[in-house]
Amino acid sequence: KAGVTQTPRYLIKTRGQQVTLSCSPISGHRSVSWYQQTPGQGLQFLFEYFSETQRNKGNFPGRFSGRQFSNSRSEMNVSTLELGDSALYLCASSLPGTESSWGPVVYSYEQYFGPGTRLTVT
Amino acid sequence: GNSVTQMEGPVTLSEEAFLTINCTYTATGYPSLFWYVQYPGEGLQLLLKATKADDKGSNKGFEATYRKETTSFHLEKGSVQVSDSAVYFCALIYGSGAGSYQLTFGKGTKLSVIP
Repeated sequence: KAGVTQTPRYLIKTRGQQVTLSCSPISGHRSVSWYQQTPGQGLQFLFEYFSETQRNKGNFPGRFSGRQFSNSRSEMNVSTLELGDSALYLCASSLPGTESSWGPVVYSYEQYFGPGTRLTVT
Repeated sequence: GNSVTQMEGPVTLSEEAFLTINCTYTATGYPSLFWYVQYPGEGLQLLLKATKADDKGSNKGFEATYRKETTSFHLEKGSVQVSDSAVYFCALIYGSGAGSYQLTFGKGTKLSVIP
């Protein structure tokens, strides 16, 4: 089974431009999450999509947006790029795990990551 | 809020040495815990996981036990190899309502194994 694919792998943009990144999940996976990885802040959650709906969003400005298509492929868009947006953008897909019946809900979702898109803003 | 703290790196070991990377977490409820590994130029790969207290996750000689009483999930390997050189991330996952969830990661620990 093919893994998560992300395109493009590398991208160089200028401040003020906008960019669109693409992610194709593993076949059958319906949830797609996006993360930003930088040396200073580490890995930070951007948003998560399931069945074309954004279910959760991290603490990022509105310049960061995304969408999911009916085939579960997802795109994220960053408008008015800033130098600080230079980062590795990772996409992850998952199937829901099992929820415990012994008490509180236990989330066991395994997320599978793509190779990332390296965005450099100059 | 939820958070993960793991030991600062970098860690440099000789081949066949014993590895421990400490990880502690703060979370409400019952998160699942993970270790991910990132090789140079690649995305993250799931190394192992544990979903409830006292669970032991293991894979490729690596082990970690979910300790709820100490809120820890330390990664161990008895004999490291040069090929284990990578960055290791401890993470937890928790529900955010409406069926959604997100991973919270530690800062990562870079491991270098020398022959």
